[in-house]
Amino acid sequence: AQKVTQAQTEISVVEKEDVTLDCVYETRDTTYYLFWYKQPPSGELVFLIRRNSFDEQNEISGRYSWNFQKSTSSFNFTITASQVVDSAVYFCALSEAMAGANNLFFGTGTRLTVIP
Amino acid sequence: ETGVTQSPTHLIKTRGQQVTLRCSSQSGHNTVSWYQQALGQGPQFIFQYYREEENGRGNFPPRFSGLQFPNYSSELNVNALELDDSALYLCAMGLGAFDSGANVLTFGAGSRLTVL
Repeated sequence: AQKVTQAQTEISVVEKEDVTLDCVYETRDTTYYLFWYKQPPSGELVFLIRRNSFDEQNEISGRYSWNFQKSTSSFNFTITASQVVDSAVYFCALSEAMAGANNLFFGTGTRLTVIP
Repeated sequence: ETGVTQSPTHLIKTRGQQVTLRCSSQSGHNTVSWYQQALGQGPQFIFQYYREEENGRGNFPPRFSGLQFPNYSSELNVNALELDDSALYLCAMGLGAFDSGANVLTFGAGSRLTVL
């Protein structure tokens, strides 16, 4: 069975601090995809990144970086020099390649508050 | 703005009533999925439509049903509303293989349903 755990329910940081959001997943499939989505107060989920299970290269996009480690089943997300606009709920999600549909399993989310 | 529009944004119903939620896209997305997000939780997959037919369903009863129209817009219908149906309902459009877990989904801002 699939499972995504985001143990951090809420995090508060002061602007310009770095922050890491943790994500641990479980799946029996060998081919799967991991995602991070951002949900601002407006409600829509905004896509941030997708990784497949065969690509463990870390990725950096501006102030965002992601660390994927299959050995620990983790896909952590780091924001460097946080800004107030980063305040949102962040979701990690898992999708299996043979799910038969665009079926994302989401974690419970981490609410990030960046204090000016 | 994601290009996926949902209506209504908010609505209140009473237990036992029926509700229809709508979703449309500016682009030619070929799949549409619906997710239920209870307060403080991650979204949960309800079902997906491809070529106007349901091709995947999560753990939701048959009183949750949907439609996908030729112009790729969609409806979610919920009959015999229960208090636990109170949630944010998110529509997600996809473009690509309908049975692959790799697709990046574009989400709308959701319809917030309150059942009294």
